[in-house]
Amino acid sequence: NAGVMQNPRHLVRRRGQEARLRCSPMKGHSHVYWYRQLPEEGLKFMVYLQKENIIDESGMPKERFSAEFPKEGPSILRIQQVVRGDSAAYFCASSPVRLADTGELFFGEGSRLTVL
Amino acid sequence: GENVEQHPSTLSVQEGDSAVIKCTYSDSASNYFPWYKQELGKRPQLIIDIRSNVGEKKDQRIAVTLNKTAKHFSLHITETQPEDSAVYFCAVAGGTSYGKLTFGQGTILTVHP
Repeated sequence: NAGVMQNPRHLVRRRGQEARLRCSPMKGHSHVYWYRQLPEEGLKFMVYLQKENIIDESGMPKERFSAEFPKEGPSILRIQQVVRGDSAAYFCASSPVRLADTGELFFGEGSRLTVL
Repeated sequence: GENVEQHPSTLSVQEGDSAVIKCTYSDSASNYFPWYKQELGKRPQLIIDIRSNVGEKKDQRIAVTLNKTAKHFSLHITETQPEDSAVYFCAVAGGTSYGKLTFGQGTILTVHP
């Protein structure tokens, strides 16, 4: 059973470009979470999705950021018009059930975005 | 929302000593308390977790204790080894944050040989 797969692992963008980060959860997992980690800082929650639904996006910046988890295919975190402050590691995690209901979170290896 | 405070931010010990990291949280309805270890450039990995129906859980050299009344929980590592050196994060889920983990700020643990 493959783990949580993220790609690309490293992404370089110039200011103003778009970044698309993909996450395939573990097989059988329908809950997906995105976290952002700035250099030498902790993990900050961004968004929690289930198939075709955004459950909690309280951690998402109001502009330029969006996330989806379609019925088919990976979850995608999209950042439009990137700025240098978007440079960070973006981790995706998945769980088979809601965390409060005996779930455990499994993290991918992360996508490291560098904005020049 | 949930607020998680983690201390200390850095911890330096000699090999063989014990290390203790503490976290406090704000939402009394929270019920899931995992600890993650993150090595440089790697993903966070779950090392131990505890749910609110128990007060202590142990796995070899690692233990976690939970005090729900005081809303704090701790990670204990005994007989530390250099390979325990990493950043450790506590996290909380449940209550009003039922669908997500809120992380502490992290503790950089350095074990000197």
